[in-house]
Amino acid sequence: EDQVTQSPEALRLQEGESSSLNCSYTVSGLRGLFWYRQDPGKGPEFLFTLYSAGEEKEKERLKATLTKKESFLHITAPKPEDSATYLCAVPPGGGADGLTFGKGTHLIIQP
Amino acid sequence: SAVISQKPSRDICQRGTSLTIQCQVDSQVTMMFWYRQQPGQSLTLIATANQGSEATYESGFVIDKFPISRPNLTFSTLTVSNMSPEDSSIYLCSVGEAGGDTQYFGPGTRLTVL
Repeated sequence: EDQVTQSPEALRLQEGESSSLNCSYTVSGLRGLFWYRQDPGKGPEFLFTLYSAGEEKEKERLKATLTKKESFLHITAPKPEDSATYLCAVPPGGGADGLTFGKGTHLIIQP
Repeated sequence: SAVISQKPSRDICQRGTSLTIQCQVDSQVTMMFWYRQQPGQSLTLIATANQGSEATYESGFVIDKFPISRPNLTFSTLTVSNMSPEDSSIYLCSVGEAGGDTQYFGPGTRLTVL
């Protein structure tokens, strides 16, 4: 069965304190791994898509990396506006449509 | 990326009634999806809505409870029927192409059932 597990569930950092969020996945035939940011009361906002092990993508203070079993979202020198829930998702195995989401990491950056 | 709007943005409904949620996209898209996000939880796919064919429902979701329409390539509706308090959730539509392509999400509809 497809599975996406994110850790930690919650993370509180001081402004400027770098850290990483983890997303481990189990799916037959990975067709992409997606990172989203979700602010309270809003829909998920797309951040990155990674397709193959070793791939990296960056956007401002965020960098996403991918291995054969997990993905990391690295946050460098975060600011309070980076506070949000970060979700990762994969398309299900077997060629089905839609996305299977992890439960997310709730990130709080304190000034 | 596509601009997606949903109506209503929120609603409070009585038990036993039905609510239809609209999803409008500013460009033609092949696939539209409906997700549910229960309080404090992540997103769960309800169904895939393709234009010109019946929606495909995920395990645990049935057409009688969540009928879906997809009359054209820019619009879809999800109806939550015979509601109970357990249906209180955020309902989100998303759009994408087939396979592993990126999905973009609407702002969501926050439903509270009393």
